[in-house]
Amino acid sequence: ETGVTQTPRHLVMGMTNKKSLKCEQHLGHNAMYWYKQSAKKPLELMFVYSLEERVENNSVPSRFSPECPNSSHLFLHLHTLQPEDSALYLCASSQMGTDTQYFGPGTRLTVL
Amino acid sequence: AQSVTQLGSHVSVSEGALVLLRCNYSSSVPPYLFWYVQYPNQGLQLLLKYTSAATLVKGINGFEAEFKKSETSFHLTKPSAHMSDAAEYFCAVSVDRGSTLGRLYFGRGTQLTVWP
Repeated sequence: ETGVTQTPRHLVMGMTNKKSLKCEQHLGHNAMYWYKQSAKKPLELMFVYSLEERVENNSVPSRFSPECPNSSHLFLHLHTLQPEDSALYLCASSQMGTDTQYFGPGTRLTVL
Repeated sequence: AQSVTQLGSHVSVSEGALVLLRCNYSSSVPPYLFWYVQYPNQGLQLLLKYTSAATLVKGINGFEAEFKKSETSFHLTKPSAHMSDAAEYFCAVSVDRGSTLGRLYFGRGTQLTVWP
């Protein structure tokens, strides 16, 4: 695997389910990001992890819970989501001290 | 505050025609600027970036962009469109230069359609 990978690519869940999104970067980076991409809206930065510590949380509801166990892996744990949470969730990584972020293919989430 | 405005949410061109996607930014400090492309059902791919070297930046797939400080613009161009260029294009700005962690601020995107 190369670059940034995300699994699953598609996920359909009910409002009472609990699921997790996984991101893995193979670039040796030390910063990782979660973005939400909804139709007709700009990309929204959700969380930023730097050296496995969360350094930014942009007022994201607590039903989204990130986890970064090491510099290569990032998870987004989901529970009791709402239909308006349906979106494409993108993971990105970068090397601290640079501004270029590399994105994964995203997980298309549908909440019923 | 920093922001990015992409003029035109949809642009249509004929194959072989010039592609021009507009991006204007607002920043209180000299920015780094980026163009990303997103093909259907895929993530964002970096096309090119400006980081205060040459003002004309060449990227992948024949695209280039010119940084114009006086106009606060970073428009993306390609001399001759190809069908495979049909995608959504995002302009982004980073102003956290010198910090340990860059943050990108994205425009709303421009959907490019290429007609045969």
